[in-house]
Amino acid sequence: DAGITQSPRHKVTETGTPVTLRCHQTENHRYMYWYRQDPGHGLRLIHYSYGVKDTDKGEVSDGYSVSRSKTEDFLLTLESATSSQTSVYFCAISQTGTNEKLFFGSGTQLSVL
Amino acid sequence: SQQGEEDPQALSIQEGENATMNCSYKTSINNLQWYRQNSGRGLVHLILIRSNEREKHSGRLRVTLDTSKKSSSLLITASRAADTASYFCATDEGGGADGLTFGKGTHLIIQP
Repeated sequence: DAGITQSPRHKVTETGTPVTLRCHQTENHRYMYWYRQDPGHGLRLIHYSYGVKDTDKGEVSDGYSVSRSKTEDFLLTLESATSSQTSVYFCAISQTGTNEKLFFGSGTQLSVL
Repeated sequence: SQQGEEDPQALSIQEGENATMNCSYKTSINNLQWYRQNSGRGLVHLILIRSNEREKHSGRLRVTLDTSKKSSSLLITASRAADTASYFCATDEGGGADGLTFGKGTHLIIQP
């Protein structure tokens, strides 16, 4: 999957606990994205980054925060997980800033009980 | 909000037949892309068509774009069992680095 590693691949947690998902890339791409995928909704953008320490909100950013301290790592944090955040989370990267040809990781299946 | 809407939601055909999926969108776009997702995996980019293009080919894939109708179609010719997957259209509206807007996908099953 184009040098993108998501960790963990699966996680089960309880409501109210903090959770951090990690996306690590070896492609040195500037642009990184977090999407969530839910049945009936397709993929929805949570947050994206256009460089180290440069991030912005996507369509469904409430309840999520992100950080990017290094080019290769983009972290997604659920400060206090809720059942509605049960989903599959995908990280994607892009070399250019023109939304052309995103490369996706294999996803993290998160269950919030 | 969802931009692209794929049609049909599910499609089952026999191996060797052609598969056609459609995507409709709502706003002006810079480009439209199609992605494939195999079960339990991430999405893989298939093809991109720009707003000033009408048709594009890549191997067994043919994509058309009609900006006046705000619609696109993906044709997979001579389907194979390995083509079984979900297919998503994605639109780029802003031309910046703010990501793509994905549809809900078409689940394609190729019967051997």
